[in-house]
Amino acid sequence: DGGITQSPKYLFRKEGQNVTLSCEQNLNHDAMYWYRQDPGQGLRLIYYSQIVNDFQKGDIAEGYSVSREKKESFPLTVTSAQKNPTAFYLCASKGTGKWSYEQYFGPGTRLTVT
Amino acid sequence: GQQVMQIPQYQHVQEGEDFTTYCNSSTTLSNIQWYKQRPGGHPVFLIQLVKSGEVKKQKRLTFQFGEAKKNSSLHITATQTTDVGTYFCAGWGYGNKLVFGAGTILRVKS
Repeated sequence: DGGITQSPKYLFRKEGQNVTLSCEQNLNHDAMYWYRQDPGQGLRLIYYSQIVNDFQKGDIAEGYSVSREKKESFPLTVTSAQKNPTAFYLCASKGTGKWSYEQYFGPGTRLTVT
Repeated sequence: GQQVMQIPQYQHVQEGEDFTTYCNSSTTLSNIQWYKQRPGGHPVFLIQLVKSGEVKKQKRLTFQFGEAKKNSSLHITATQTTDVGTYFCAGWGYGNKLVFGAGTILRVKS
C-alpha cells in the first residue's frame, strides 16, 4: 500500500523544546516538501528537497531545519527559534518524471506548543 | 515573488446551488493545479490545466484556465454535501516550488 506517512497525528510540546516531525514515503519519489498550514490560510512552503542529500529553503524556513539522508525520509525539526510553532504541518512528495506533476500529501501532524 | 490569489475566501451555499472559486496569479503560469482538502484532512490533487483557454470537466466540476494563463476557475454545478472542504489552486514557481492560493472554504447547507 503506497503512500506518505506522518507521525504522530497530534503532538504537544512545551515552549523552548525542539521537536522533530516524521515524514516517510514509499512512492519512490525524488522530491519531498514540507508545508505549514494555519487556520483559514493556504499552504506555506517551509523546505523542499529535490534529491537525497540536498534541500532548499522555502518561503518560511526560519526556525526550522530538515535533513534528507534517505530517499524515503524527510524529517522536519521545529526549533525553539520558531516564534509561532503551533500549526498543522503537511509533508508531500512528487515524482520527477515528465508525467509526474501532482503532489501527494501525508495526513499531517498537528503541533501544539504551550 | 510569485503570488496566487484566490476568491472568495469563504462561501456557504444551499445544497443544489452552484459554486465558483477564482484564482489569479501575478505572473504567467506554465500550468495550474487544483486540490481539495476535506475538513480535518489533507489536500488531494484534483486536476492540472496546461493549455491556454483549456476547459476540463470531472462530473459536476468544471475547471478553466484563462487565455493569458494568469487566471483559473473551478465551478461546481448543483453542490452536494460531499463537496464541502477547502479548494486550493496552485501554480509552479521558480525553483520548482508549487505556490498555493489561500483557498476557498465551501460549506453546503442541506
